[in-house]
Amino acid sequence: GQQVMQIPQYQHVQEGEDFTTYCNSSTTLSNIQWYKQRPGGHPVFLIQLVKSGEVKKQKRLTFQFGEAKKNSSLHITATQTTDVGTYFCAAPGGATNKLIFGTGTLLAVQP
Amino acid sequence: DAMVIQNPRYQVTQFGKPVTLSCSQTLNHNVMYWYQQKSSQAPKLLFHYYDKDFNNEADTPDNFQSRRPNTSFCFLDIRSPGLGDAAMYLCATSRTGNSNQPQHFGDGTRLSIL
Repeated sequence: GQQVMQIPQYQHVQEGEDFTTYCNSSTTLSNIQWYKQRPGGHPVFLIQLVKSGEVKKQKRLTFQFGEAKKNSSLHITATQTTDVGTYFCAAPGGATNKLIFGTGTLLAVQP
Repeated sequence: DAMVIQNPRYQVTQFGKPVTLSCSQTLNHNVMYWYQQKSSQAPKLLFHYYDKDFNNEADTPDNFQSRRPNTSFCFLDIRSPGLGDAAMYLCATSRTGNSNQPQHFGDGTRLSIL
């Protein structure tokens, strides 16, 4: 079945450093969503990318969809302690073509 | 505020004793989902309802069932919980069944098995 892999699994940065997580699929994706889950919390929708090569920005967060629509990235500029959490990409798949979550990247930010 | 509400936040049950988790929503969304999330893992979709239509994922164990008596409520029934079923159970909704719809999650119910 479809798998959506994310790297790295874990990233520890100093506050102010940049952070990037990458999402890779073995199949072409119709769209990709990104979610953030704070420790002890629930996933919260951040953004959706649909078009090949699409780039979207939310303040310090930059999201990119690959030209082949098989990969995506999330880049955070100048991390803050409030950025701590696990970042998941998610894409349609499975028996019912619903969201399949990537493996996630846990971001730790040291003040 | 419109939201997705899960009760209880923490549930403890005994091995083999049936348990029901509940979810309600005030968003009036057509689709409700149940996910299982184990520690340090991604949420795993168990099944979803599009309105009254039930859709099971291929690898969801028969031990897991669901009911949606009306638009607002959805229940997850675990008929005979095993130790491996200890996890966070997340309910989510989306306005339509299109895969491009964002999902709105509840706070989850953490299930422990004794």
